[in-house]
Amino acid sequence: GAGVSQSPSNKVTEKGKDVELRCDPISGHTALYWYRQSLGQGLEFLIYFQGNSAPDKSGLPSDRFSAERTGGSVSTLTIQRTQQEDSAVYLCASSSRGFGGYTFGSGTRLTVV
Amino acid sequence: GQQLNQSPQSMFIQEGEDVSMNCTSSSIFNTWLWYKQDPGEGPVLLIALYKAGELTSNGRLTAQFGITRKDSFLNISASIPSDVGIYFCAGQELGGSEKLVFGKGTKLTVNP
Repeated sequence: GAGVSQSPSNKVTEKGKDVELRCDPISGHTALYWYRQSLGQGLEFLIYFQGNSAPDKSGLPSDRFSAERTGGSVSTLTIQRTQQEDSAVYLCASSSRGFGGYTFGSGTRLTVV
Repeated sequence: GQQLNQSPQSMFIQEGEDVSMNCTSSSIFNTWLWYKQDPGEGPVLLIALYKAGELTSNGRLTAQFGITRKDSFLNISASIPSDVGIYFCAGQELGGSEKLVFGKGTKLTVNP
């Protein structure tokens, strides 16, 4: 597609439930990133996929968070047993290798009640 | 993880005024970028800088990659109401991976 697509745009879930957030990157972009943005805060790095290399998971805050990227394209971020502190906007971005400028999606606003 | 020190945190200006914001880092960066985020949207790339000392303009926006490679600034000239939003600096650490480190943002309000 023309841009990075994320779904759903909004998600309200009960504490303790699992959620899946989806990202569809720009076609041909080899790198895909997940960031988290809490209210009034900057962007916190979560995980990075580059081609077929092992992902950089160094930003995942706990083992409740995981992500996969199938076929080098679509990615799913899964949060298990959600907690209230997981409430945030989850942003996905993609880029061509070697280019520092990402293209971001509009994000998924997650609210855990 | 590392975060960039971005200032000011917020700015309230009159339409037509010039604006300046900056970012500093304790480590050397090989790329500096400036993004703008509108409400409900993801950040959009404004300017990318790849060389120390580089000065780049994009319309009314001008950004510079500091000589020490540890800082960058963004200037907006003759501000207009649509400049309202949150501006983020971001950078790639020298020797690091391709992931970007972000500042906490500068929230800009422009009064007509």
